[in-house]
Amino acid sequence: QKEVEQNSGPLSVPEGAIASLNCTYSDRGSQSFFWYRQYSGKSPELIMSIYSNGDKEDGRFTAQLNKASQYVSLLIRDSQPSDSATYLCAVNIRQAGTALIFGKGTTLSVSS
Amino acid sequence: GAVVSQHPSWVICKSGTSVKIECRSLDFQATTMFWYRQFPKQSLMLMATSNEGSKATYEQGVEKDKFLINHASLTLSTLTVTSAHPEDSSFYICSARSGTSMYEQYFGPGTRLTVT
Repeated sequence: QKEVEQNSGPLSVPEGAIASLNCTYSDRGSQSFFWYRQYSGKSPELIMSIYSNGDKEDGRFTAQLNKASQYVSLLIRDSQPSDSATYLCAVNIRQAGTALIFGKGTTLSVSS
Repeated sequence: GAVVSQHPSWVICKSGTSVKIECRSLDFQATTMFWYRQFPKQSLMLMATSNEGSKATYEQGVEKDKFLINHASLTLSTLTVTSAHPEDSSFYICSARSGTSMYEQYFGPGTRLTVT
């Protein structure tokens, strides 16, 4: 049973558009949700965390959480070529203790 | 804040030798650190959870005698790959959880290991 699922992509959007990245998770009791950005050959960088239902905005990024649907998303407004990377969804699954479980990631490509 | 460093950033070693990788939290104390491995174009795979002052918890399928983890202080965890083989070549990344956040993890820059 896959615990954190993401569409691998690639998701291609033109510069200036909104990129929408989605993630579903299996553990209904999960409380903590994160989005990481990983450039090729680099380690992941935390860009957003969200703990309660609704939207959380930080600059051009908006994370959305719907616990009833077990769904978390990341919107990137005014996408830039520098946003081209793999975006990893991470969830604290209860059975994992304090460890985060990562999805396989969605590759985003922003064309100029 | 929440900076994690790793050393070395890359290492090439011969088959059969051992390699030690250090992970340090620079501006916070990390009671818990995590070690991940990532093969090309694949997802992060959790290898083990390292708690300061106690034995590491290894994920299923990870050989604890091959991947030795020591978390001797609140700012340092080490991973030693013993008797490395070419199949151990991978990108090893540590992360640390700061005491101020329940689950946020901050990653080190990673260590690329190549075993020849």
